Amino acid sequence: QLQLQESGPGLVKPSETLSLTCIVSGGSISVSSFYGAWVRQPPGKGLEWIGDIYYTGTTYNNPSLKSRVTMSVDTSKNQFSLRMTSVTAADTAIYYCARTSRGPVTKGRFDPWGQGTLVTVSS
Amino acid sequence: DIQMTQSPSSVFASVGDRVTITCRASQDIGNWLVWYQQKPGNAPKLLISTASTLQSGVPSRFSGSGSGTDFTLTISSLQPEDCATYHCQQTDNFPRTFGQGTKVEIK
Repeated sequence: QLQLQESGPGLVKPSETLSLTCIVSGGSISVSSFYGAWVRQPPGKGLEWIGDIYYTGTTYNNPSLKSRVTMSVDTSKNQFSLRMTSVTAADTAIYYCARTSRGPVTKGRFDPWGQGTLVTVSS
Repeated sequence: DIQMTQSPSSVFASVGDRVTITCRASQDIGNWLVWYQQKPGNAPKLLISTASTLQSGVPSRFSGSGSGTDFTLTISSLQPEDCATYHCQQTDNFPRTFGQGTKVEIK
């Protein structure tokens, strides 16, 4: 059974860079059906898609986050990562990683999800 | 971007009640709509995909319907364990977008 787990600092200073990693177990990310995704949720608010990454390194980002987001993948460690630069208090949120896909039926859905990690932006 | 609008934002109902949540897309998305259930402190869990396909293990009291721009999630007989926030999401286009969520509580 595929499982995902986020890891990274829980506190980031304003203007600095947020870095998170999603470790995948129970299956390989180097399969044609696997895309990794990042979704965030500010406390008490709704969900926002950040972006998807394929194991080849191809990425799809949310234009609302412009060029602040970079995603990467490490197939040797079966994990993928998120970097977000120039963070502000508005980036305080629970960050989730999830599997998504481009399949004819499964496209775009997120399943399963990691448990999420709270990142607070504060000095 | 495709805007997803859920209503109501919260609902209070009694055990055994029928609960209906609506999700409206700002443009035609066919049946590319999924529903998640999120319990407090937990990650969202996929409930329904392609508007009406129940995921394995999800109780049959949950059902989804709709196509185009208007969609519905129905709980036929509300149970205490159904207290959660429900989110819709369109999977038709990028960027992926979600509704603002509907919180379901027991009276």
